[in-house]
Amino acid sequence: EVQLVESGGGLVQPGGSLRLSCGASGFTFSDFAMSWVRQAPGKGLEWVSGISGAGGNPFYSDSVTGRFTISRDNSKNTLYLQMNSLRAEDTAIYYCAKKEGGVVQGVIDYWGQGILVTVSS
Amino acid sequence: SYVLTQPPSVSVAPGQTARITCGGGSFASENVHWYQHKPGQAPVLVIYYDSGRPSGIPERFSGSNSMNTATLTISRVEAGDEADYYCQVWASSRDCVFGTGTKVTVL
Repeated sequence: EVQLVESGGGLVQPGGSLRLSCGASGFTFSDFAMSWVRQAPGKGLEWVSGISGAGGNPFYSDSVTGRFTISRDNSKNTLYLQMNSLRAEDTAIYYCAKKEGGVVQGVIDYWGQGILVTVSS
Repeated sequence: SYVLTQPPSVSVAPGQTARITCGGGSFASENVHWYQHKPGQAPVLVIYYDSGRPSGIPERFSGSNSMNTATLTISRVEAGDEADYYCQVWASSRDCVFGTGTKVTVL
């Protein structure tokens, strides 16, 4: 059974940093691309970032480019999202998502339960 | 910027058919995926590559794709289908876009 478990969320002040983690199990982690998707309060889903199975070719939405960094440790079956220079508009539930194949442009076939990030003073 | 427009809400009686549209894309060249999202839960893929249905998803869920509009159809609607539904495409090799979302209410 595929499981994706996010951790590392919480309350942070504007301008601060936070690192999210996503522990994966139930599949060969290195074979699949992964993504982060978020949902701000009362809003819809927004894609944030994606990375290939091998860890190359990361890319980002315009709203987080230059502030967020996606990475993965295939030896630990873990996906990360380093979030710097956080803004109030980054407040959201962040979902870890698995792609159907090794490329980021594939369909998301599994999602985690999500972790709340609140940016506020 | 690329925007996929969905109706904010659709209301349907149990046993009837709900149709959710997704417009604004060039669907002749893009594959459309659909996700179901219930409050407090992880989203679930219900239709992939326009009309594919993942294992475990009831046959009541179907998808279609014309030149300018993609449609998710839920036949014989049940109370458990009440959720938000989102379409999604890759507008370019580096631009993943979700639709604005549709809240399905079962009367």
